[in-house]
Amino acid sequence: ETGVTQSPTHLIKTRGQQVTLRCSSQSGHNTVSWYQQALGQGPQFIFQYYREEENGRGNFPPRFSGLQFPNYSSELNVNALELDDSALYLCASSLAGNTEAFFGQGTRLTVV
Amino acid sequence: GENVEQHPSTLSVQEGDSAVIKCTYSDSASNYFPWYKQELGKRPQLIIDIRSNVGEKKDQRIAVTLNKTAKHFSLHITETQPEDSAVYFCAASRASGGSYIPTFGRGTSLIVHP
Repeated sequence: ETGVTQSPTHLIKTRGQQVTLRCSSQSGHNTVSWYQQALGQGPQFIFQYYREEENGRGNFPPRFSGLQFPNYSSELNVNALELDDSALYLCASSLAGNTEAFFGQGTRLTVV
Repeated sequence: GENVEQHPSTLSVQEGDSAVIKCTYSDSASNYFPWYKQELGKRPQLIIDIRSNVGEKKDQRIAVTLNKTAKHFSLHITETQPEDSAVYFCAASRASGGSYIPTFGRGTSLIVHP
């Protein structure tokens, strides 16, 4: 058990709706990254938060937004959901200065 | 931005054979290269990694090599076992604000036949 937990595990939403996904970091980790993994693809970097500030962003539109809280847990928000947003969303936590990142089990989002 | 190519997409071997997965990257600023194993329905798990100041690293049956000049790195698994069957992802990472931002390859599905 790596200690990174995500909720919910599965979610079904309708096109145009908004969704919030949650991630609890492993104890002591201050950096959280979010990824989108489409079926049969590698994880694609969405953004990273370090000490509540965005520390880098991938090629995703502004309707993907995030937040990191003082306890280093994090949220991923997606507005105006599209069918192509259907994917496994993974978060990974790490300690800044340390290379190893630990992944959560993911949230499977289905947009219908 | 960084672009990571991974080959092959599928690799089928007999138990006991060796398996090699290759990746290339484009951004010379990338300096950390982890490999992840993802079993069906499970989270990716780090199996081995290498930094850009090292050419090779080995951990039991797994080894990784890095050629910075050619911008390619490879995963080698010897004496494969059925439990090695999984999807393997390479990544090329660059430092950012004290942490690392990875770009992943598309994955290699390794099938080890008993």
